Amino acid sequence: SAVISQKPSRDICQRGTSLTIQCQVDSQVTMMFWYRQQPGQSLTLIATANQGSEATYESGFVIDKFPISRPNLTFSTLTVSNMSPEDSSIYLCSARQGTSGYTFGSGTRLTVV
Amino acid sequence: QKEVEQDPGPLSVPEGAIVSLNCTYSNSAFQYFMWYRQYSRKGPELLMYTYSSGNKEDGRFTAQVDKSSKYISLFIRDSQPSDSATYLCAMSGVSGGYQKVTFGIGTKLQVIP
Repeated sequence: SAVISQKPSRDICQRGTSLTIQCQVDSQVTMMFWYRQQPGQSLTLIATANQGSEATYESGFVIDKFPISRPNLTFSTLTVSNMSPEDSSIYLCSARQGTSGYTFGSGTRLTVV
Repeated sequence: QKEVEQDPGPLSVPEGAIVSLNCTYSNSAFQYFMWYRQYSRKGPELLMYTYSSGNKEDGRFTAQVDKSSKYISLFIRDSQPSDSATYLCAMSGVSGGYQKVTFGIGTKLQVIP
């Protein structure tokens, strides 16, 4: 299965600023996914990113707040824009290769102060 | 009702015990079933991936799917302190024209030496 490198692993940011999270996959994958994981809650899908097309956002998430780039089949970024303390969470990218299960990056622990 | 129900625990067992982790689901469209292990401050790691009803074994781990009852289980034999982690069930099916994964909240397991 694919191996995903995600960075940064953690960051503390000031409210009103933006943070871009990067994920690099060691092989080409068609679809990549971005999740948010908050304490006591299950993983919540933010958006699905296909190469060469606009990302598809889930209910409650908008492109202006969480712009996503997918320039090629091995890389994607998620930006958390105009951050507030409510955005403090763990952000995870994921990918699926072929018919195998979904693999995850190691996560980005974001704290907004 | 949530699509996927999972008891968050925590579950404490002595070393060497057999651990049983379970999830129920309500969406008949789910086709693929997964179990992930997540250590603190790490991303989820895929443990088991199954498609059909029945059992799948991998070392000390056995995944069981009962589609008629909408119930999946993960058994861990001869549990070790290193198995202490949060275990998430996940299920995928077609939604809005593409595969979408839904996660349980995760069960926190502690194996006591």
